Amino acid sequence: AQSVAQPEDQVNVAEGNPLTVKCTYSVSGNPYLFWYVQYPNRGLQFLLKYITGDNLVKGSYGFEAEFNKSQTSFHLKKPSALVSDSALYFCAVPSTSGTYKYIFGTGTRLKVLA
Amino acid sequence: EPEVTQTPSHQVTQMGQEVILRCVPISNHLYFYWYRQILGQKVEFLVSFYNNEISEKSEIFDDQFSVERPDGSNFTLKIRSTKLEDSAMYFCASSEALVVGGYNSPLHFGNGTRLTVT
Repeated sequence: AQSVAQPEDQVNVAEGNPLTVKCTYSVSGNPYLFWYVQYPNRGLQFLLKYITGDNLVKGSYGFEAEFNKSQTSFHLKKPSALVSDSALYFCAVPSTSGTYKYIFGTGTRLKVLA
Repeated sequence: EPEVTQTPSHQVTQMGQEVILRCVPISNHLYFYWYRQILGQKVEFLVSFYNNEISEKSEIFDDQFSVERPDGSNFTLKIRSTKLEDSAMYFCASSEALVVGGYNSPLHFGNGTRLTVT
């Protein structure tokens, strides 16, 4: 079964510093991996996806993610964090059940400190 | 940019009452989903819907739950007899297709309905 794991409940980083939010995956077949962000009192918003090709994927708001097949990881990164990046981040993978529902990780709360 | 809209934003109901949560997906989207999130944590799949029928449902989606697309624009989630543990944030999502260009379409989420069962 497809699954993703987010080992950190919370990540704190100082504004201006690089940030990393971790995600590891377990999938059968080719991995299709996604990151979503949830701001307070809002729904989830799509940030970026990995389908195939370049291991470094660029997305919205200056975020990027690095796909690493040997480590089965898909970590979300940003070179310089902003206070406004503080939010809940979810890694996700589509299931292979036929309806392609998304299976979300448990979420990582990112707190960027001014 | 088109968006998924959900009403109401907050619903308070008494245990045992019926509630209907409403969603208007993006107009050209074909696939519809309900997810829920308890205490701002894990996002749990409830049900997917395509071509006027349920495609898949989770164990959470028992006989108390039903979905409907009554008029071609709205997509509703009904809970027949609410329980305390149904208190959660309920998100509607839609996507234009399952697969576009060989990969899965991202989901577009509404801002959710916070359901409080007392």
